[in-house]
Amino acid sequence: EVQLVESGGGLVQPGGSLRLSCTASGFTFSYYWMTWVRQAPGKGLEWVASVNQDGSENYSVDSVKGRFTISRDNARKSLFLQMTGLRAEDTAVYYCARRRDSSTLDYWGPGTLVTVSS
Amino acid sequence: QSALTQPPSASGSPGQSVTISCTGTSSDFGDYNFVSWYQQYPGKAPKLMIYEVNKRPSGVPDRFSGSKSGNTASLTVSGLQAEDEADFYCSSYAGSNNLVFGGGTKLTVL
Repeated sequence: EVQLVESGGGLVQPGGSLRLSCTASGFTFSYYWMTWVRQAPGKGLEWVASVNQDGSENYSVDSVKGRFTISRDNARKSLFLQMTGLRAEDTAVYYCARRRDSSTLDYWGPGTLVTVSS
Repeated sequence: QSALTQPPSASGSPGQSVTISCTGTSSDFGDYNFVSWYQQYPGKAPKLMIYEVNKRPSGVPDRFSGSKSGNTASLTVSGLQAEDEADFYCSSYAGSNNLVFGGGTKLTVL
């Protein structure tokens, strides 16, 4: 059974940093692109970033470029999102998802809440 | 990287059919057939319902179907059931390994 579990969320002050993790099981992690998607309270889904199978390519939405870094450790079957320069508008539930083709996110974790507030 | 356009709400009675639209630009949809639809219950993670415009993952009822014409994709739910009441999001490959979502549609079963 495919499982994705996020961790690392919490309350952080504006300008602070946080590192999210996503641990995968039930599939060959190194075969798949992985993606972070976020959802602000009461709002819709927003793609944040994606990374290829070996971590050599990554892409992100313009609003987080230069502040967020997506990475992975295939030996540990883990996906990461390093977030710096956090702003109030980054407050959201962050989901880790497996990408099966150019856009399809076929499995999602339950999410981890990041709150940016003083 | 603008969001795809969905109606904020849709509704239908049990047994009826309802269609939710998802409109983008040529740069969103282009010649791609990578349109997906996700169902989300409150407080839960999204679930993949349709991928590559009209394909259903294993376990998704055939009451759910997808289509695309030009820059508009559609999700049709036939034979509405109470359990279908949820938020639905479309998404599309937007080139350069970018992904774009629609704003979401709240489906109400009357």
